[in-house]
Amino acid sequence: QKEVEQDPGPLSVPEGAIVSLNCTYSNSAFQYFMWYRQYSRKGPELLMYTYSSGNKEDGRFTAQVDKSSKYISLFIRDSQPSDSATYLCASTTSGTYKYIFGTGTRLKVLA
Amino acid sequence: EAGVVQSPRYKIIEKKQPVAFWCNPISGHNTLYWYLQNLGQGPELLIRYENEEAVDDSQLPKDRFSAERLKGVDSTLKIQPAELGDSAVYLCASSLSPEGTQYFGPGTRLTVL
Repeated sequence: QKEVEQDPGPLSVPEGAIVSLNCTYSNSAFQYFMWYRQYSRKGPELLMYTYSSGNKEDGRFTAQVDKSSKYISLFIRDSQPSDSATYLCASTTSGTYKYIFGTGTRLKVLA
Repeated sequence: EAGVVQSPRYKIIEKKQPVAFWCNPISGHNTLYWYLQNLGQGPELLIRYENEEAVDDSQLPKDRFSAERLKGVDSTLKIQPAELGDSAVYLCASSLSPEGTQYFGPGTRLTVL
């Protein structure tokens, strides 16, 4: 079992939809949780960075961490075709600072 | 401010040939990472540098892979000899410190024929 699991998709949604992307993790020591966006043939770009449980909002993006269920979510409101990309979740512990990535979920927002 | 710079962006070689990738991190970032990303997978850490020192190279296949970060700035990752299974994207990332967020370069896409 991988430490961070993510459905690879693809996920297709119409423009304007609310998108929910999810990851689960197995390591209880994970304290930091990241979401990266990766366009085709580009490097990952940091979207959200959260510590421990709770919600964090940035524009149309909301990251949610539930440590009790080891569940990480990213919500995208009013999705746009430009949001079409692969979304990678990552987790790490304090001390090791080794990011463990999920496989990524490929999202397609249809105009 | 310039981001992480990597070159070349694409490289095609025949198996058993050597290959090298170069990375220039964001200015002032002391921590540098090399990741391997296979198709349809997330990045996997190969090696992490704190300044010139490799502090985590446990995932680096040392029989054929080597890396260096002279003067604690630029870094080079080398494969010698390359194998077919090495075809992947090699990503470089940097952060201000080990606990800082990591910023990635565009990657080098390697194809081994």
